[in-house]
Amino acid sequence: GENVEQHPSTLSVQEGDSAVIKCTYSDSASNYFPWYKQELGKRPQLIIDIRSNVGEKKDQRIAVTLNKTAKHFSLHITETQPEDSAVYFCAADQGGGADGLTFGKGTHLIIQP
Amino acid sequence: DGGITQSPKYLFRKEGQNVTLSCEQNLNHDAMYWYRQDPGQGLRLIYYSQIVNDFQKGDIAEGYSVSREKKESFPLTVTSAQKNPTAFYLCASSMGRAGNTIYFGEGSWLTVV
Repeated sequence: GENVEQHPSTLSVQEGDSAVIKCTYSDSASNYFPWYKQELGKRPQLIIDIRSNVGEKKDQRIAVTLNKTAKHFSLHITETQPEDSAVYFCAADQGGGADGLTFGKGTHLIIQP
Repeated sequence: DGGITQSPKYLFRKEGQNVTLSCEQNLNHDAMYWYRQDPGQGLRLIYYSQIVNDFQKGDIAEGYSVSREKKESFPLTVTSAQKNPTAFYLCASSMGRAGNTIYFGEGSWLTVV
């Protein structure tokens, strides 16, 4: 089955700086790569996703890049703000038509004032 | 997201007891899922269902059971066979098929006392 590795586990950046979180996946048949943000004690919420037919997608301060050859994808947050502090999870679909997502273990992003 | 309702939000279980977590969705989604989240860990798939009266085991199905008698409902039973059930349980749903966005309920905290 799919295996997703996520790094770093904790990331501390100064407010206003950029943050980058990286993920790798194992199943070359995976085609869908969402990113979720989870605040303490709350549900994960989708913030951006990318499909295998594009290499980059941007939504205001958030962007995701995908390299299918290398099987890795990254989340980029620019001009970080205190409300960006949360745990971020990357995920990949199972590939081969199977349902469900496989998640990375999460990155705790801390925005320092 | 607001169309997925989980109950109860907090549940305490004595050792040796079975407990059932409820999940209802009004999004007319075909697929439903149960994930388990442990502190500092990612989300792990317990069971999923793509259609009424059918469900599949995920990565950590042992000690759990589900049913899908109605499209909008996907209850999870944590049985006494689950040795370490204390965790945050998340129900989710999607339109089904690989590559569709998965939305989460607010979660249920289960603690064994």
